[in-house]
Amino acid sequence: EAQVTQNPRYLITVTGKKLTVTCSQNMNHEYMSWYRQDPGLGLRQIYYSMNVEVTDKGDVPEGYKVSRKEKRNFPLILESPSPNQTSLYFCASSSLPNYGYTFGSGTRLTVV
Amino acid sequence: KQEVTQIPAALSVPEGENLVLNCSFTDSAIYNLQWFRQDPGKGLTSLLLIQSSQREQTSGRLNASLDKSSGRSTLYIAASQPGDSATYLCAVGNAGNMLTFGGGTRLMVKP
Repeated sequence: EAQVTQNPRYLITVTGKKLTVTCSQNMNHEYMSWYRQDPGLGLRQIYYSMNVEVTDKGDVPEGYKVSRKEKRNFPLILESPSPNQTSLYFCASSSLPNYGYTFGSGTRLTVV
Repeated sequence: KQEVTQIPAALSVPEGENLVLNCSFTDSAIYNLQWFRQDPGKGLTSLLLIQSSQREQTSGRLNASLDKSSGRSTLYIAASQPGDSATYLCAVGNAGNMLTFGGGTRLMVKP
């Protein structure tokens, strides 16, 4: 089944403790992206990647890092999480050119 | 910068009604437009994708139209059911594979 898999689904962590949210897709898509969703602010793009070793900032990249060492994986790294990064995070992928996006099931992160 | 607006923000209808959700965008130079469904606290499920060269797409009780020149898309849901209750998101695909989302329409279908 074609899908985007995120892990973990839920995570509660403490301020400053580094964490990684994994994202993997099995559709051989070139393009992958991370979004966060917050009440009243909608979905905002954090980072995206057009292909292996090619990444760029989205609208809200502060406090996040990404890497794209393999085509299928696009982890989101929070080096020093803060409470304002409490959010629902989504990973998405698409082919190039864009024939529609597939989203993961989301990761609900709480930073205390 | 592309801006996407969805009207109404919330909608409550009795079961069986046909309904229309609206999406407008400011920059008509789009690659495609995608409608998603999101249940509370859950992921996004793709409903329909309309490429920029297309005028509409249909899937079951859903029909989405696209008018690029006027910057509008509509999602038509026929014979609504309580199971259709969810938030519906419109997203515009721009150059560079960028995706811009609207704020969503929260739909409640009452039995």
